[in-house]
Amino acid sequence: QKEVEQDPGPLSVPEGAIVSLNCTYSNSAFQYFMWYRQYSRKGPELLMYTYSSGNKEDGRFTAQVDKSSKYISLFIRDSQPSDSATYLCAMSEESGGSYIPTFGRGTSLIVHP
Amino acid sequence: EPEVTQTPSHQVTQMGQEVILRCVPISNHLYFYWYRQILGQKVEFLVSFYNNEISEKSEIFDDQFSVERPDGSNFTLKIRSTKLEDSAMYFCASSERGGDFSHEQYFGPGTRLTVT
Repeated sequence: QKEVEQDPGPLSVPEGAIVSLNCTYSNSAFQYFMWYRQYSRKGPELLMYTYSSGNKEDGRFTAQVDKSSKYISLFIRDSQPSDSATYLCAMSEESGGSYIPTFGRGTSLIVHP
Repeated sequence: EPEVTQTPSHQVTQMGQEVILRCVPISNHLYFYWYRQILGQKVEFLVSFYNNEISEKSEIFDDQFSVERPDGSNFTLKIRSTKLEDSAMYFCASSERGGDFSHEQYFGPGTRLTVT
């Protein structure tokens, strides 16, 4: 079962806060873990992806994967009102499996000034 | 920066009518995808396309759906006889590489399809 669970929120934080967004999954074959940002009525925009376990940092964003717990996180430091959007996690398998990403429902983030 | 474009942005059609949704992928990308997102729900995969063939399709992509790359730039999704439940946002995506690099997909802004 390729289920990906994500709390839809909304998550409301003040500007400057550290935001933690999370997803859990059940399919141990997932190896690629992606985070997309989606503004209202727009297409998902790839933010970051990681392969297997570990951390990856890009500016104010840090993606973390814990495969033993089947849990992934996206941290946003010094959050800005422009970060207000829906954040989608997505996952896919490696060679020999399905490359097609399975998405979570998305978490709505509101950063208020 | 190169981007995926989609037309129209909004399409209204009557139940039973055929619709064609159009996409122009990023020019050096070779792998193309269609997804849909019903309002308030998850993004769902429909089909992937490479080398003028369908690579993979989901259960949603039944006989009423078809895809085509009619020329060197466009990628289309046709729904032959629309149903009310086809109302959704349809996203096109493309990636330069497939296989283990399929996760590097770039999405278009979507076409909102409303079936009345």
